[in-house]
Amino acid sequence: LAKTTQPISMDSYEGQEVNITCSHNNIATNDYITWYQQFPSQGPRFIIQGYKTKVTNEVASLFIPADRKSSTLSLPRVSLSDTAVYYCLVGTNSGYSTLTFGKGTMLLVSP
Amino acid sequence: GAVVSQHPSRVICKSGTSVKIECRSLDFQATTMFWYRQFPKKSLMLMATSNEGSKATYEQGVEKDKFLINHASLTLSTLTVTSAHPEDSSFYICSAPKSTGMTEAFFGQGTRLTVV
Repeated sequence: LAKTTQPISMDSYEGQEVNITCSHNNIATNDYITWYQQFPSQGPRFIIQGYKTKVTNEVASLFIPADRKSSTLSLPRVSLSDTAVYYCLVGTNSGYSTLTFGKGTMLLVSP
Repeated sequence: GAVVSQHPSRVICKSGTSVKIECRSLDFQATTMFWYRQFPKKSLMLMATSNEGSKATYEQGVEKDKFLINHASLTLSTLTVTSAHPEDSSFYICSAPKSTGMTEAFFGQGTRLTVV
């Protein structure tokens, strides 16, 4: 499984755009990049998944460069409720896949 | 949308007793479910993979006799912490993949176990 590296923590203010970058230098050809959000004392929640270029949904965008060795989760106009831990995971969607969580990024949004 | 429900959300038990945690997939079938453990301010650690109709697969260092997993149906997996001790106190989370092979998974709400 490809290992991921993220910043331990980030600070932001309400209304700002937040970009969290994840490094995955050993990503395999069949691997997808998936981001999860976790609030205290809750299970993680799926945010977004991508394979290459750009993916956007109603809550976030995911930017993946051509070499796929990194990815950036972009949260537009964050609010206080976006304070959470964000995990970047890399794994294959073919066959059977377990999810291995790294340390994650603790995002703190202040007023 | 699909939901994974975990019960109970909190449990306090005495040392030496056993505690059962249930994980249900509410509107989809899950031939496989995963059990994680999370300590305060730490990441999720995969404990075991629960397979419907067969034995669970445990990660290295996880005692299978301590953490009994049963996956008797396509919608229910249970984790039983046997002879619990204070060091077993933790946050336990289950998950089920959206479909076999997908890295998009649904997670339960988690169970806070406190052993006193």
